[in-house]
Amino acid sequence: GDSVTQMEGPVTLSEEAFLTINCTYTATGYPSLFWYVQYPGEGLQLLLKATKADDKGSNKGFEATYRKETTSFHLEKGSVQVSDSAVYFCALSAPNQAGTALIFGKGTTLSVSS
Amino acid sequence: KAGVTQTPRYLIKTRGQQVTLSCSPISGHRSVSWYQQTPGQGLQFLFEYFSETQRNKGNFPGRFSGRQFSNSRSEMNVSTLELGDSALYLCASSLRGGRAGELFFGEGSRLTVL
Repeated sequence: GDSVTQMEGPVTLSEEAFLTINCTYTATGYPSLFWYVQYPGEGLQLLLKATKADDKGSNKGFEATYRKETTSFHLEKGSVQVSDSAVYFCALSAPNQAGTALIFGKGTTLSVSS
Repeated sequence: KAGVTQTPRYLIKTRGQQVTLSCSPISGHRSVSWYQQTPGQGLQFLFEYFSETQRNKGNFPGRFSGRQFSNSRSEMNVSTLELGDSALYLCASSLRGGRAGELFFGEGSRLTVL
C-alpha cells in the first residue's frame, strides 16, 4: 500500500544552520505531496505542497521539490530560526481517491537553539 | 475567522465505555475528516465526510463511526473502548475536499482509556 517514510528525529540545530528533513514515499501513480507542521500547543497546519512531478512548493523560507524519479519530497531551509522549532510531517494524498485522506509519515521533531 | 473547534479537549474513560467527540469546521467548509494520532502508529486516517456522506474510510474496526450534520459539524463515536484507543483525535476541515486541498486541523481531543 501507499506509505511515507521520513527521517527519524529529533533534529537539533543552531540558529541559522541549514535544514534538510528527508521524506520518501511509495505510491501508485502520481500522488499529491505535502509538508505539515505542528508548533507546540497548536494544531497541524499546511506548510507547503506539490501536486505534480518537478513542482517546487515553498513557504516561509522552506522548500521541497517533488522528485518522481527518486520518489522523494525532502524539506529544506537555508537558515533556521528558533521559531521553526516544531514537529514536521510529510504526507501524501493518493491519486486513486476522491477525497482528502492523507497518509502521514511519523513526524520529525526539530529543535533550534540560539 | 474561527478555526476548527474540537470538544472536549481532554477526557478520561474506562474500558468498555463509549465516547463521542465533536468537531465544528471552519465556516463554509464542507469536508470534515478525522485522524488518530498515537506515539506508536503516528497519524492515521479514520474517515472523511462531505455533505453528510462518508466519502472515505480508513482501516479501523467498526467500533469507530462518525457522522456529519447539515451544518457540516461532525461527530465521531468509539464504542466498547479499549486501552489501545487512547490517543489524540484530530479533526480537519477542507473547503471542498479533493486530494490537493489544504486541510485545516483542530487542536484535537485527547482521550485516555483506563
